[in-house]
Amino acid sequence: DSGVTQTPKHLITATGQRVTLRCSPRSGDLSVYWYQQSLDQGLQFLIQYYNGEERAKGNILERFSAQQFPDLHSELNLSSLELGDSALYFCASSSQGSGHGYTFGSGTRLTVV
Amino acid sequence: EDQVTQSPEALRLQEGESSSLNCSYTVSGLRGLFWYRQDPGKGPEFLFTLYSAGEEKEKERLKATLTKKESFLHITAPKPEDSATYLCAVNHQEKLVFGTGTRLLVSP
Repeated sequence: DSGVTQTPKHLITATGQRVTLRCSPRSGDLSVYWYQQSLDQGLQFLIQYYNGEERAKGNILERFSAQQFPDLHSELNLSSLELGDSALYFCASSSQGSGHGYTFGSGTRLTVV
Repeated sequence: EDQVTQSPEALRLQEGESSSLNCSYTVSGLRGLFWYRQDPGKGPEFLFTLYSAGEEKEKERLKATLTKKESFLHITAPKPEDSATYLCAVNHQEKLVFGTGTRLLVSP
């Protein structure tokens, strides 16, 4: 157990739907990062939050959004889902920015049918 | 654009057959190079961080080294349980940029 908790582990939904992925960071970590991993693209950075504020954005689609709450848990919202959004979504956390590496959760596998 | 390239894409070894994985990077002002291990369907697991050329880190059968342009992950006398994908990443603007990984399979 890495200390980073992601729910749900698996999600199957239809095209056009909206889903929410949840992440609880490791205790004491203020930064949360979201990554998408698909077979042909590897790990792609989506977005970072630090203590409730957005810090950095990657190639995140406009259909996707995220937030970090006062208790530091984070949610990634994916809407108007397309088949190509099927992937593993990972959350990671760190205490001092990325200079010390991240701790990853076990991921949410999203399948869009 | 900073880039991380890993080679080979896949590597098959016999148990006990040592080898090295390569990670080359282009980044201005390296602020850390990271190695992770990822098992199928699981999250990446942190292995090492290297910060400056000449630095080396070791853990069991794994040893990571760093030069100004690349890093190597040396695997000595691997066992089947070392089979996994090994990911390299660099710190770029406070986020980690990952390579696509090397899939390692160690056969008994």
